[in-house]
Amino acid sequence: NAGVTQTPKFRVLKTGQSMTLLCAQDMNHEYMYWYRQDPGMGLRLIHYSVGEGTTAKGEVPDGYNVSRLKKQNFLLGLESAAPSQTSVYFCASREWTAQETQYFGPGTRLLVL
Amino acid sequence: DAKTTQPPSMDCAEGRAANLPCNHSTISGNEYVYWYRQIHSQGPQYIIHGLKNNETNEMASLIITEDRKSSTLILPHATLRDTAVYYCIVRVGGSQGNLIFGKGTKLSVKP
Repeated sequence: NAGVTQTPKFRVLKTGQSMTLLCAQDMNHEYMYWYRQDPGMGLRLIHYSVGEGTTAKGEVPDGYNVSRLKKQNFLLGLESAAPSQTSVYFCASREWTAQETQYFGPGTRLLVL
Repeated sequence: DAKTTQPPSMDCAEGRAANLPCNHSTISGNEYVYWYRQIHSQGPQYIIHGLKNNETNEMASLIITEDRKSSTLILPHATLRDTAVYYCIVRVGGSQGNLIFGKGTKLSVKP
């Protein structure tokens, strides 16, 4: 049981390049989330999904797209990377219960030059 | 969701109890108090949550005041590995949306 995994762990992009971050969970969780964390800040939600085939915008969705084609995977895409998207990205998942126990991945560090 | 207020930083001696306060004076009756922590560079980790009763698990204890306007997370015997940022979050149970992470309390456990 690996929990929540993220790929890649670290990436350097040039402005304007595109990339996809992959989040995978093996806990059969319904809900999945993408957060970003900038230095000295708390986490901010980018997009989330309440089930396979569904996505919704979070607090800071601009410049990102997501897809949840399979229940276990949640993809975060950057179509045209900007230096402002330099951040650490965390994925999380949780069961569809009344509790808010989210399980987080180890993070992806992204540097946009 | 109710707003929370936490001190930006605290120190604790290794082996002593760490008591981390959180104020949530606008909490409503159906909102839970959750605690997470984030050890340097890692993803946040769930610690404990509660509604109105005190809660204890293998990691910590959560004490919620009778009026529910504040709470305290207690790490009974802090170790160096407990050095982290601790987040207090108030949220309606079962909501579809996200947890709102503020800046939390940076706990430094010193030898």
